Amino acid sequence: DAGVIQSPRHEVTEMGQEVTLRCKPISGHNSLFWYRQTMMRGLELLIYFNNNVPIDDSGMPEDRFSAKMPNASFSTLKIQPSEPRDSAVYFCASSFYSGGGTDTQYFGPGTRLTVL
Amino acid sequence: AQSVTQPDIHITVSEGASLELRCNYSYGATPYLFWYVQSPGQGLQLLLKYFSGDTLVQGIKGFEAEFKRSQSSFNLRKPSVHWSDAAEYFCAVAAGSGGYQKVTFGTGTKLQVIP
Repeated sequence: DAGVIQSPRHEVTEMGQEVTLRCKPISGHNSLFWYRQTMMRGLELLIYFNNNVPIDDSGMPEDRFSAKMPNASFSTLKIQPSEPRDSAVYFCASSFYSGGGTDTQYFGPGTRLTVL
Repeated sequence: AQSVTQPDIHITVSEGASLELRCNYSYGATPYLFWYVQSPGQGLQLLLKYFSGDTLVQGIKGFEAEFKRSQSSFNLRKPSVHWSDAAEYFCAVAAGSGGYQKVTFGTGTKLQVIP
């Protein structure tokens, strides 16, 4: 299995620019998660999709952040406009949720975003 | 809402020594519990999980964890640490009502292994 694939692995941009992070979940998984990891706040859930539908977006910081999942094999997290405080490592994770209880999430390698 | 506490931010052990990383959770019922490991520059890898049944759970890389309901703990152990175990370790809890159970991660414990 290829695992969860994220691109780019590193992104450096200037404040005010649009940033798009991409994720390809594990084939057959029906749940997808976007997390943000910083030294100050640790690992935070941003948004959760099940069967391509956003279920929980309570962690999305503000309107500058948006996420889409147009199909089962692709998701994007967009920041527009970006700010220096958005600098973090962004992880995508996927799982197979069969209903009731919980499941095991498999993480991608992350995208390290630096906003200057 | 559930929460997870990892009281040790940083731990240093000698190679070959035993290891115990502490994790305490807060939730009214029995949660689902996980330990993940993160090597530098990498994503999180699942070490083990507890959903139900035997309270002593075996994982990969020789790790085990014990669920203790009375102490609301899920401590991770390894009898003999290898230099390659140096990484950051995260405890996580999944809990909630309804069909979706949100996973909450602890702040992590960074493990240093000295020769």
